[in-house]
Amino acid sequence: KAGVTQTPRYLIKTRGQQVTLSCSPISGHRSVSWYQQTPGQGLQFLFEYFSETQRNKGNFPGRFSGRQFSNSRSEMNVSTLELGDSALYLCASSLAVAGNFQETQYFGPGTRLLVL
Amino acid sequence: KNEVEQSPQNLTAQEGEFITINCSYSVGISALHWLQQHPGGGIVSLFMLSSGKKKHGRLIATINIQEKHSSLHITASHPRDSAVYICAVSPPSNTGNQFYFGTGTSLTVIP
Repeated sequence: KAGVTQTPRYLIKTRGQQVTLSCSPISGHRSVSWYQQTPGQGLQFLFEYFSETQRNKGNFPGRFSGRQFSNSRSEMNVSTLELGDSALYLCASSLAVAGNFQETQYFGPGTRLLVL
Repeated sequence: KNEVEQSPQNLTAQEGEFITINCSYSVGISALHWLQQHPGGGIVSLFMLSSGKKKHGRLIATINIQEKHSSLHITASHPRDSAVYICAVSPPSNTGNQFYFGTGTSLTVIP
C-alpha cells in the first residue's frame, strides 16, 4: 500500500499570501489529521477530519482551515500568511474504525513552508 | 504548563548501551503514543499503548496509568536509532484524534 503523500514538499510564500497544502491518506483510511511543527513550539495539533467533517480542532486562529473530500483526501489552507507560519506541516491518516479513536497514526513526509 | 513532559531533552549514548526515555503527562488519557522522527522530518509511530507494556524488536514501551508516566527503552542501541523521540497523548473523547505532544528527546548513538 502506498503511504501518506503530501504535496508540495517545499513552498516559499510571502507575508499576506495564502497557501493550500494537500494530503492523500493511505487507501482505506478515513481520518486525516494536520499538525504544525516549529523549532519553538514543537508539534501542535491543528485539526482532524473524518467523513468530510471537522471532528476536532486545536488552538489555532481562523486563518487556518481545512477540508476533506469524499475520497478522504484533505487540504489545509492558511490565509494571510505571517512569518510565524513558517513550519513543517504534517498530515497523518488512520483507519478511524467507528467507536475507536485509539489508533496508530501514519504520517506523511510533510510540507516545509517558508514565509518571507 | 505543558501537558506532556519528556526527559531527557538530549541524550548521547555509545553503541550497545541500554537507553531509557521518560514521559510524564498531567491530563487524563485514552492512549499514549511514542513517535520517532528522523532528520528530514518523517515521523513513524512506534507504539500506541493504554496500559502495560509493548515490545517490538529492541524497543520496549511501558506505561503506568496511576502514575501518569511512560518509558521508552531501547536495548542494544545502534547508530540508526539516532532520532528524535516524541511522546504524545490523546485525551479521552468519544470522537476523533487529538494529541498533546512532548517536546521530544534527541538521541545520538555513537559507534
